[in-house]
Amino acid sequence: GAGVSQTPSNKVTEKGKYVELRCDPISGHTALYWYRQSLGQGPEFLIYFQGTGAADDSGLPNDRFFAVRPEGSVSTLKIQRTERGDSAVYLCASSLDRATNEKLFFGSGTQLSVL
Amino acid sequence: DAKTTQPTSMDCAEGRAANLPCNHSTISGNEYVYWYRQIHSQGPQYIIHGLKNNETNEMASLIITEDRKSSTLILPHATLRDTAVYYCIVRSSGSARQLTFGSGTQLTVLP
Repeated sequence: GAGVSQTPSNKVTEKGKYVELRCDPISGHTALYWYRQSLGQGPEFLIYFQGTGAADDSGLPNDRFFAVRPEGSVSTLKIQRTERGDSAVYLCASSLDRATNEKLFFGSGTQLSVL
Repeated sequence: DAKTTQPTSMDCAEGRAANLPCNHSTISGNEYVYWYRQIHSQGPQYIIHGLKNNETNEMASLIITEDRKSSTLILPHATLRDTAVYYCIVRSSGSARQLTFGSGTQLTVLP
Protein backbone atom coordinates (compact mmCIF):
# COMPACT_ATOMS: atom_id res chain seq x y z
CA GLY A 1 0.00 0.00 0.00
CA ALA A 2 0.97 3.59 -0.35
CA GLY A 3 0.67 4.60 3.29
CA VAL A 4 1.65 3.42 6.75
CA SER A 5 -0.42 0.42 7.73
CA GLN A 6 -1.20 -0.55 11.31
CA THR A 7 -2.85 -3.72 12.49
CA PRO A 8 -5.10 -4.42 14.19
CA SER A 9 -7.13 -1.23 14.06
CA ASN A 10 -8.73 -2.16 17.36
CA LYS A 11 -7.53 -4.43 20.13
CA VAL A 12 -9.43 -5.26 23.29
CA THR A 13 -7.59 -7.18 25.97
CA GLU A 14 -7.79 -7.95 29.65
CA LYS A 15 -5.59 -6.52 32.34
CA GLY A 16 -2.42 -8.56 32.68
CA LYS A 17 -2.40 -9.90 29.13
CA TYR A 18 0.32 -9.50 26.50
CA VAL A 19 -0.36 -7.64 23.24
CA GLU A 20 1.50 -7.00 20.01
CA LEU A 21 0.78 -4.12 17.68
CA ARG A 22 2.13 -4.16 14.13
CA CYS A 23 3.29 -1.36 11.85
CA ASP A 24 4.11 -1.58 8.14
CA PRO A 25 5.90 1.62 7.13
CA ILE A 26 6.02 3.15 3.69
CA SER A 27 8.38 1.17 1.47
CA GLY A 28 11.87 2.64 1.48
CA HIS A 29 11.40 4.67 4.66
CA THR A 30 14.31 3.98 6.98
CA ALA A 31 13.02 5.90 10.00
CA LEU A 32 10.10 4.53 12.02
CA TYR A 33 8.40 6.03 15.08
CA TRP A 34 5.87 4.89 17.65
CA TYR A 35 3.65 7.40 19.45
CA ARG A 36 0.84 6.96 21.95
CA GLN A 37 -2.20 9.22 22.13
CA SER A 38 -4.62 9.43 25.02
CA LEU A 39 -8.07 10.93 24.59
CA GLY A 40 -8.00 14.70 24.17
CA GLN A 41 -4.21 14.94 24.09
CA GLY A 42 -1.56 15.20 21.41
CA PRO A 43 0.56 12.20 20.43
CA GLU A 44 3.33 11.31 22.87
CA PHE A 45 6.63 9.94 21.54
CA LEU A 46 7.58 6.40 22.55
CA ILE A 47 10.46 5.09 20.41
CA TYR A 48 12.30 5.75 17.17
CA PHE A 49 14.10 3.31 14.86
CA GLN A 50 16.70 4.12 12.26
CA GLY A 51 16.93 0.93 10.23
CA THR A 52 16.87 -2.06 12.55
CA GLY A 53 18.14 -0.35 15.66
CA ALA A 54 16.25 1.63 18.26
CA ALA A 55 17.98 5.01 18.05
CA ASP A 56 15.88 6.60 20.77
CA ASP A 57 13.67 4.72 23.22
CA SER A 58 13.48 7.50 25.78
CA GLY A 59 9.71 7.73 25.52
CA LEU A 60 8.92 4.16 26.55
CA PRO A 61 7.10 4.54 29.88
CA ASN A 62 8.53 1.41 31.57
CA ASP A 63 10.03 -1.99 30.89
CA ARG A 64 6.65 -3.52 30.05
CA PHE A 65 6.93 -1.79 26.68
CA PHE A 66 9.28 -3.08 24.01
CA ALA A 67 9.53 -2.65 20.25
CA VAL A 68 11.45 -4.42 17.50
CA ARG A 69 12.18 -3.91 13.84
CA PRO A 70 14.29 -6.94 12.92
CA GLU A 71 14.59 -6.43 9.18
CA GLY A 72 14.41 -2.67 9.07
CA SER A 73 10.88 -2.59 7.74
CA VAL A 74 7.93 -3.92 9.75
CA SER A 75 7.92 -3.05 13.44
CA THR A 76 6.09 -4.60 16.37
CA LEU A 77 5.28 -2.82 19.62
CA LYS A 78 4.95 -5.29 22.47
CA ILE A 79 3.26 -4.60 25.78
CA GLN A 80 3.53 -7.09 28.63
CA ARG A 81 1.20 -7.35 31.62
CA THR A 82 -1.13 -4.71 30.25
CA GLU A 83 -2.73 -2.24 32.62
CA ARG A 84 -5.89 -0.18 32.22
CA GLY A 85 -3.73 2.93 31.93
CA ASP A 86 -2.19 1.54 28.74
CA SER A 87 -5.51 2.13 26.95
CA ALA A 88 -4.81 4.62 24.16
CA VAL A 89 -4.35 4.93 20.42
CA TYR A 90 -0.91 3.71 19.39
CA LEU A 91 0.33 5.53 16.30
CA CYS A 92 3.15 4.53 14.00
CA ALA A 93 4.91 6.89 11.60
CA SER A 94 7.71 6.62 9.10
CA SER A 95 9.93 9.07 7.28
CA LEU A 96 12.33 8.79 4.40
CA ASP A 97 15.47 9.09 6.49
CA ARG A 98 16.81 10.62 9.65
CA ALA A 99 18.52 13.55 7.98
CA THR A 100 15.30 14.79 6.46
CA ASN A 101 12.87 13.51 9.02
CA GLU A 102 10.73 16.60 9.15
CA LYS A 103 7.89 15.03 7.25
CA LEU A 104 6.45 12.10 9.13
CA PHE A 105 3.76 9.93 7.61
CA PHE A 106 1.41 8.47 10.21
CA GLY A 107 -0.83 5.44 10.14
CA SER A 108 -4.38 5.53 11.47
CA GLY A 109 -3.34 3.88 14.69
CA THR A 110 -4.37 0.93 16.82
CA GLN A 111 -6.98 1.64 19.47
CA LEU A 112 -5.97 -0.46 22.48
CA SER A 113 -8.53 -1.01 25.21
CA VAL A 114 -7.48 -2.79 28.38
CA LEU A 115 -10.45 -3.97 30.42
CA ASP B 1 12.92 22.69 21.60
CA ALA B 2 10.92 25.87 22.05
CA LYS B 3 7.46 25.72 23.57
CA THR B 4 4.44 26.75 21.49
CA THR B 5 1.12 28.29 22.53
CA GLN B 6 -2.03 27.85 20.48
CA PRO B 7 -5.69 28.67 21.11
CA THR B 8 -7.67 25.67 22.26
CA SER B 9 -10.35 26.05 19.62
CA MET B 10 -11.46 28.15 16.66
CA ASP B 11 -14.41 28.27 14.27
CA CYS B 12 -14.34 29.26 10.62
CA ALA B 13 -17.08 29.59 8.02
CA GLU B 14 -16.86 27.27 5.04
CA GLY B 15 -15.22 28.97 2.06
CA ARG B 16 -13.51 31.59 4.20
CA ALA B 17 -9.84 31.70 5.11
CA ALA B 18 -8.89 30.00 8.35
CA ASN B 19 -6.03 31.72 10.17
CA LEU B 20 -4.50 29.65 12.95
CA PRO B 21 -2.03 31.47 15.21
CA CYS B 22 0.91 30.03 17.10
CA ASN B 23 3.22 31.75 19.56
CA HIS B 24 6.79 30.52 19.93
CA SER B 25 8.52 33.41 21.65
CA THR B 26 11.52 31.31 22.80
CA ILE B 27 12.34 29.97 19.34
CA SER B 28 16.03 29.85 18.54
CA GLY B 29 17.78 30.56 15.27
CA ASN B 30 18.03 26.99 13.99
CA GLU B 31 14.50 25.90 14.90
CA TYR B 32 11.87 25.31 12.26
CA VAL B 33 8.12 25.76 12.66
CA TYR B 34 6.11 22.70 11.63
CA TRP B 35 2.37 22.28 11.27
CA TYR B 36 0.52 19.00 11.37
CA ARG B 37 -3.19 18.33 11.56
CA GLN B 38 -5.21 15.40 12.82
CA ILE B 39 -8.64 14.63 11.50
CA HIS B 40 -10.82 12.59 13.82
CA SER B 41 -9.85 8.89 13.96
CA GLN B 42 -6.82 9.40 11.73
CA GLY B 43 -3.12 9.84 12.37
CA PRO B 44 -1.53 13.30 12.14
CA GLN B 45 -0.84 14.64 8.67
CA TYR B 46 2.07 16.88 7.77
CA ILE B 47 0.99 20.25 6.36
CA ILE B 48 3.95 22.57 6.01
CA HIS B 49 7.11 23.80 7.69
CA GLY B 50 9.39 26.84 7.48
CA LEU B 51 12.36 28.59 9.03
CA LYS B 52 12.22 32.30 8.25
CA ASN B 53 10.51 32.92 4.95
CA ASN B 54 6.85 32.50 4.31
CA GLU B 55 5.99 29.19 2.72
CA THR B 56 3.13 28.02 0.55
CA ASN B 57 2.13 24.64 -0.75
CA GLU B 58 -0.99 23.00 -2.10
CA MET B 59 -2.49 22.70 1.37
CA ALA B 60 -1.71 25.95 3.15
CA SER B 61 0.44 29.00 3.64
CA LEU B 62 2.74 29.63 6.58
CA ILE B 63 3.43 33.19 7.61
CA ILE B 64 6.30 33.67 10.09
CA THR B 65 6.81 37.08 11.70
CA GLU B 66 10.10 38.83 11.15
CA ASP B 67 11.21 38.24 14.75
CA ARG B 68 10.06 34.59 14.37
CA LYS B 69 8.24 34.69 17.69
CA SER B 70 4.92 33.79 16.14
CA SER B 71 3.44 32.32 13.02
CA THR B 72 0.10 31.83 11.32
CA LEU B 73 -1.11 28.90 9.31
CA ILE B 74 -3.56 29.96 6.63
CA LEU B 75 -6.05 27.67 4.92
CA PRO B 76 -7.21 29.97 2.12
CA HIS B 77 -10.64 28.46 1.47
CA ALA B 78 -11.65 26.24 4.36
CA THR B 79 -13.89 23.26 3.68
CA LEU B 80 -15.76 20.99 6.07
CA ARG B 81 -13.00 18.42 5.56
CA ASP B 82 -10.52 20.82 7.13
CA THR B 83 -12.17 20.33 10.52
CA ALA B 84 -9.33 18.88 12.60
CA VAL B 85 -6.87 19.50 15.42
CA TYR B 86 -3.94 21.59 14.17
CA TYR B 87 -0.58 21.24 15.87
CA CYS B 88 2.18 23.84 15.73
CA ILE B 89 5.58 22.36 16.59
CA VAL B 90 9.00 23.99 16.84
CA ARG B 91 12.03 21.83 16.34
CA SER B 92 15.62 21.94 15.17
CA SER B 93 16.26 20.32 11.82
CA GLY B 94 18.02 17.01 12.35
CA SER B 95 17.48 17.29 16.07
CA ALA B 96 18.02 14.18 18.10
CA ARG B 97 14.75 14.91 19.82
CA GLN B 98 11.53 13.79 18.27
CA LEU B 99 8.51 15.82 17.26
CA THR B 100 6.72 16.89 20.41
CA PHE B 101 3.01 17.49 20.00
CA GLY B 102 1.11 19.80 22.31
CA SER B 103 -2.67 19.91 22.56
CA GLY B 104 -3.16 21.88 19.34
CA THR B 105 -6.10 23.95 18.12
CA GLN B 106 -9.42 22.32 17.33
CA LEU B 107 -10.59 24.02 14.13
CA THR B 108 -14.25 23.57 13.31
CA VAL B 109 -15.36 24.63 9.84
CA LEU B 110 -19.03 25.55 9.91
CA PRO B 111 -21.39 25.20 6.93
